[in-house]
Amino acid sequence: KNEVEQSPQNLTAQEGEFITINCSYSVGISALHWLQQHPGGGIVSLFMLSSGKKKHGRLIATINIQEKHSSLHITASHPRDSAVYICAPQNLYSGGGADGLTFGKGTHLIIQP
Amino acid sequence: DGGITQSPKYLFRKEGQNVTLSCEQNLNHDAMYWYRQDPGQGLRLIYYSQIVNDFQKGDIAEGYSVSREKKESFPLTVTSAQKNPTAFYLCATRGQLTGELFFGEGSRLTVL
Repeated sequence: KNEVEQSPQNLTAQEGEFITINCSYSVGISALHWLQQHPGGGIVSLFMLSSGKKKHGRLIATINIQEKHSSLHITASHPRDSAVYICAPQNLYSGGGADGLTFGKGTHLIIQP
Repeated sequence: DGGITQSPKYLFRKEGQNVTLSCEQNLNHDAMYWYRQDPGQGLRLIYYSQIVNDFQKGDIAEGYSVSREKKESFPLTVTSAQKNPTAFYLCATRGQLTGELFFGEGSRLTVL
């Protein structure tokens, strides 16, 4: 079973600050998803990565497969970035067609103007 | 627009009643999933389907049932056997080529 830890659980920052959210997991994975859950409850996929780094606008995701760790960074944060950010490692051996995912509990981010 | 539509967004149910949550997608994805989200916990898999007319139990299937008669539709029934049904339910699909996940807006079920 993959144990997933996200930190911090809650984060409040001022507009413009550089934000880092961390995700650690315990078993080998084939990929890792970063998801954003907005206050209404719907979830949007931000990144799916299996190595290195990906960038989309002000969001950057990195992963170190050997250290079993991924980070999500937000540059020049804005109040509209306020949401819950969830990491979900994709287990290497999901087998049988199951989703093979283990979801973190999420990081609740609030960006104050 | 392509996407996943869940309905209803909010639902109230009396104890002992079955309710069905709708999930419709026009993304042409084969794989569809139902998740349950409780406060302070990660999403947990209820049921999934890789193809029409086939579905499999996830980690917490007891008290739930599904059907997959059409590629576009994957309804979830919360039965009276589910001991603690009050939760937020999310339907998702996965892209065949990319593996990217797509989620609906969710349905919040409250048992009175």
